Amino acid sequence: GNSVTQMEGPVTLSEEAFLTINCTYTATGYPSLFWYVQYPGEGLQLLLKATKADDKGSNKGFEATYRKETTSFHLEKGSVQVSDSAVYFCALSDRDSSYKLIFGSGTRLLVRP
Amino acid sequence: SAVISQKPSRDICQRGTSLTIQCQVDSQVTMMFWYRQQPGQSLTLIATANQGSEATYESGFVIDKFPISRPNLTFSTLTVSNMSPEDSSIYLCSSIAGGETQYFGPGTRLLVL
Repeated sequence: GNSVTQMEGPVTLSEEAFLTINCTYTATGYPSLFWYVQYPGEGLQLLLKATKADDKGSNKGFEATYRKETTSFHLEKGSVQVSDSAVYFCALSDRDSSYKLIFGSGTRLLVRP
Repeated sequence: SAVISQKPSRDICQRGTSLTIQCQVDSQVTMMFWYRQQPGQSLTLIATANQGSEATYESGFVIDKFPISRPNLTFSTLTVSNMSPEDSSIYLCSSIAGGETQYFGPGTRLLVL
């Protein structure tokens, strides 16, 4: 079945540091890939998505590229801010599974001033 | 994207009681889902709420414990029945309006004593 694996957290960075959160997936079909963010005490917000191989999703300075050859969708940001402190979830869905989202375990990011 | 609201936003309940959570979407949507997020964990799909028919439950979740209604294309309820402390979680609803991207409500934070 489909699955998503994320790097363990927490990730602690200083402000303006470069961020990478690794995400790899296993899927039988051709999934769409997502990054969601959960700020403290809030629900999930869609951060970015990619629907086919080599697509790059981007939003708020975050980027992730759908790499079919390495089954990866790593999240990157060139310069993090304190306000980026949150939990980040990688997820996939596909039509064969009625678009149900399969989530990774989540990675907590803490950015220090 | 659809705007989703949930009621209540949080509650503290006694074991053995039941709580009904409401999810309202500001536009008609094709699919609605209910997820559970246990403390410090990722999200797990409970069920897909089907309009006009019984919900489709994931493995490990049953209708007697989590009855779901979806009377129309903008509204759904999830009931957590005969609660125990293990039911303490955040419960989130989500929807798909078109395409495949899921958008989430703010969640209902439930504490069972």
